[in-house]
Amino acid sequence: SQQGEEDPQALSIQEGENATMNCSYKTSINNLQWYRQNSGRGLVHLILIRSNEREKHSGRLRVTLDTSKKSSSLLITASRAADTASYFCATPAGVSGGSNYKLTFGKGTLLTVNP
Amino acid sequence: GAVVSQHPSRVICKSGTSVKIECRSLDFQATTMFWYRQFPKQSLMLMATSNEGSKATYEQGVEKDKFLINHASLTLSTLTVTSAHPEDSSFYICSALRSYEQYFGPGTRLTVT
Repeated sequence: SQQGEEDPQALSIQEGENATMNCSYKTSINNLQWYRQNSGRGLVHLILIRSNEREKHSGRLRVTLDTSKKSSSLLITASRAADTASYFCATPAGVSGGSNYKLTFGKGTLLTVNP
Repeated sequence: GAVVSQHPSRVICKSGTSVKIECRSLDFQATTMFWYRQFPKQSLMLMATSNEGSKATYEQGVEKDKFLINHASLTLSTLTVTSAHPEDSSFYICSALRSYEQYFGPGTRLTVT
């Protein structure tokens, strides 16, 4: 079953605006990851946030994690047309052993940044 | 570093034939690789975990006799779709595990006619 559920499913904004995507999950995790996928391409790892972290920044990206609500958000500030892509959250299938390395992906948010 | 390649990037085959997809870790060794399938506008679904030197572990609902996985070396895993049918048409993505992080290949678009 899908662990992560993103919303919105699709988001269209103008260049320069901020984009916020949310992800909810169901079971206990020790980390949550965000990936980007350009159309028809592989995945690019954006950021990993651990369960003991509440917020993490990387360039124009800001990720938050609320383990009490089992949710995370990805904020892209000052968006660019090149940010157009699908964004997925992913959580480990388990918290120990080999299952810790298997990832369960959410359904993704398709972000379109209009020039 | 941590580059993963896939070959071919696109393949078209006829129904009933078999197709092999390769996943290579170019600059690191990977004892564990993963195979995912992605249908259009949908998320990635884990198909199986490929372990070097041992049998692959398949996710529930994935037919092991249809999707044959071989992880014969520390840098190469192959996925063979046997007796392919049009419903097997999909985007197949592999990843290689390095230091607890997965590095993804660019994907292979399979079209079965």
